[in-house]
Amino acid sequence: EAQVTQNPRYLITVTGKKLTVTCSQNMNHEYMSWYRQDPGLGLRQIYYSMNVEVTDKGDVPEGYKVSRKEKRNFPLILESPSPNQTSLYFCASSSVLREKTGELFFGEGSRLTVL
Amino acid sequence: GQNIDQPTEMTATEGAIVQINCTYQTSGFNGLFWYQQHAGEAPTFLSYNVLDGLEEKGRFSSFLSRSKGYSYLLLKELQMKDSASYLCAVRDRNYGQNFVFGPGTRLSVLP
Repeated sequence: EAQVTQNPRYLITVTGKKLTVTCSQNMNHEYMSWYRQDPGLGLRQIYYSMNVEVTDKGDVPEGYKVSRKEKRNFPLILESPSPNQTSLYFCASSSVLREKTGELFFGEGSRLTVL
Repeated sequence: GQNIDQPTEMTATEGAIVQINCTYQTSGFNGLFWYQQHAGEAPTFLSYNVLDGLEEKGRFSSFLSRSKGYSYLLLKELQMKDSASYLCAVRDRNYGQNFVFGPGTRLSVLP
């Protein structure tokens, strides 16, 4: 089954304790991206990657890091989480091939609370 | 800059037709997408327009006018399960595969 898998789905942590949210896709997609979703603000892009070893900042990258060492994985790293990073996070992937529509496939989301 | 506008909330009755509008101003354009998102769940792809006109998929249709920076999603024969948020997103050609999302329209379908 084609899917994007995120872990953990729910996490409560404390300020300053480093954490990683993993994301993996099994569709051989070139493009992967992280979004955060907050009430009234919609989906905002944190980082994206066009392919292995190619990453770039989205609209709200402060406080986050990513890496793309393998095509299927795109982890989101919070080196020193703060309460304003409490949010619902989505990983997404898509194909960039011309013959494809290129719609985003989303993971189930990771609800993070930073105390 | 990048800006996408949608109504915040809409209410409709089961069996009716509802139109959700989206206007956009983006630095590039390479397609407009509609996603459905039930509360607490991931967005799922509904429709895609890259050329002007109407695309129909069952009870759902989407329209695009590139010259006006305007799209709408039309939902027919509304069902209770259609209660969800509907997200309009523009793929920005200037940034490869990047998407800019609107704030979403929360649709409530009443019996």
